[in-house]
Amino acid sequence: GQNIDQPTEMTATEGAIVQINCTYQTSGFNGLFWYQQHAGEAPTFLSYNVLDGLEEKGRFSSFLSRSKGYSYLLLKELQMKDSASYLCAVRPHNNDMRFGAGTRLTVKP
Amino acid sequence: EPEVTQTPSHQVTQMGQEVILRCVPISNHLYFYWYRQILGQKVEFLVSFYNNEISEKSEIFDDQFSVERPDGSNFTLKIRSTKLEDSAMYFCASTFDSQSYEQYFGPGTRLTVT
Repeated sequence: GQNIDQPTEMTATEGAIVQINCTYQTSGFNGLFWYQQHAGEAPTFLSYNVLDGLEEKGRFSSFLSRSKGYSYLLLKELQMKDSASYLCAVRPHNNDMRFGAGTRLTVKP
Repeated sequence: EPEVTQTPSHQVTQMGQEVILRCVPISNHLYFYWYRQILGQKVEFLVSFYNNEISEKSEIFDDQFSVERPDGSNFTLKIRSTKLEDSAMYFCASTFDSQSYEQYFGPGTRLTVT
């Protein structure tokens, strides 16, 4: 089976930093992805990790520990427009993708 | 900027009817995907397609589903006999190669089965 777990909801304040965790147990591992999804819209790509460590991309960073089956997405300098669902997804094999249920982030003024 | 397009944006059909959802992937992409998202639930992988063949499919993708690339631009998902539980948003995605980390998603087709 494929298990990808992340918190259901989080709330943070504009300008703050928030960390969204993801743990996974999958039949294989060929990369971990974070996507952002606004309500009623398609997911949009944020980050990709295949090796252990931190990948930074502007206000967004993502970390991976393969031995622990763990990743996090770090969002800095939060803006109101960052209110969305954040989806952790794992590619267990070459050409498939399994998503977690998503973390709904609410940014408050 | 190139984008994945999907038609129709919303499809309503009666239970037992066949539906075909259409996607036009980004023109130089070689790998194509279908996902579904039931309202309020997670995005679920259905199938991936490369070189006119299915690469991988999930347990959801049973005999009721089929995919096709009928010409050089379209990529279709057919559901032979729709059920109420097929009501969902269906997303198409494409990428240049299987190791490309970014899949580009289309805007989705909302399928409502009555």
